[in-house]
Amino acid sequence: AQSVTQLGSHVSVSEGALVLLRCNYSSSVPPYLFWYVQYPNQGLQLLLKYTSAATLVKGINGFEAEFKKSETSFHLTKPSAHMSDAAEYFCAVSSTGGGNKLTFGTGTQLKVEL
Amino acid sequence: DVKVTQSSRYLVKRTGEKVFLECVQDMDHENMFWYRQDPGLGLRLIYFSYDVKMKEKGDIPEGYSVSREKKERFSLILESASTNQTSMYLCASRRDGNEKLFFGSGTQLSVL
Repeated sequence: AQSVTQLGSHVSVSEGALVLLRCNYSSSVPPYLFWYVQYPNQGLQLLLKYTSAATLVKGINGFEAEFKKSETSFHLTKPSAHMSDAAEYFCAVSSTGGGNKLTFGTGTQLKVEL
Repeated sequence: DVKVTQSSRYLVKRTGEKVFLECVQDMDHENMFWYRQDPGLGLRLIYFSYDVKMKEKGDIPEGYSVSREKKERFSLILESASTNQTSMYLCASRRDGNEKLFFGSGTQLSVL
């Protein structure tokens, strides 16, 4: 069985501040891990993915995430938040790599304040 | 760019009605998916299809069925809509060998 836990359903940061969105996973086999972003009234878009290559993964819009096996974590970070980053972020895990059994977390709503 | 199109953005139906949600993708993807999205629950997989006429149950298939007669089209069917099926429904597609999912913009279904 596989699962992800996103800590904090709502996160608020100031513009220019560090963004840190937390994700912990559970998987009986080496996982594939993903972060997706959903802007208002849109579907989800892939931000980045970890597929057992480099543990530090860089994605679009300045986001990155680090796979830490010892902590079973895959936290999403961005050094400096921008107003346009306000969205809902979903962590997801797949144990097959094919993505057909992708399990999503419950999401974190990011608010960016001036 | 891949486009996944869901036929309706908003839909209002009555309890007991048969409801069809349509999804079309234009990039010849083999795999298509239906998720429902509820606040605090994230996305949950209802059904997926890895080929024409093939389907597999996801995590919450009860009360739903699907149809995939053509590669580009994947339909979600609510045989007899109930109020607990009020939700945002998201369709997605993916090419074999590529983990990236492409999502439609969703259909907000309200069952009264």
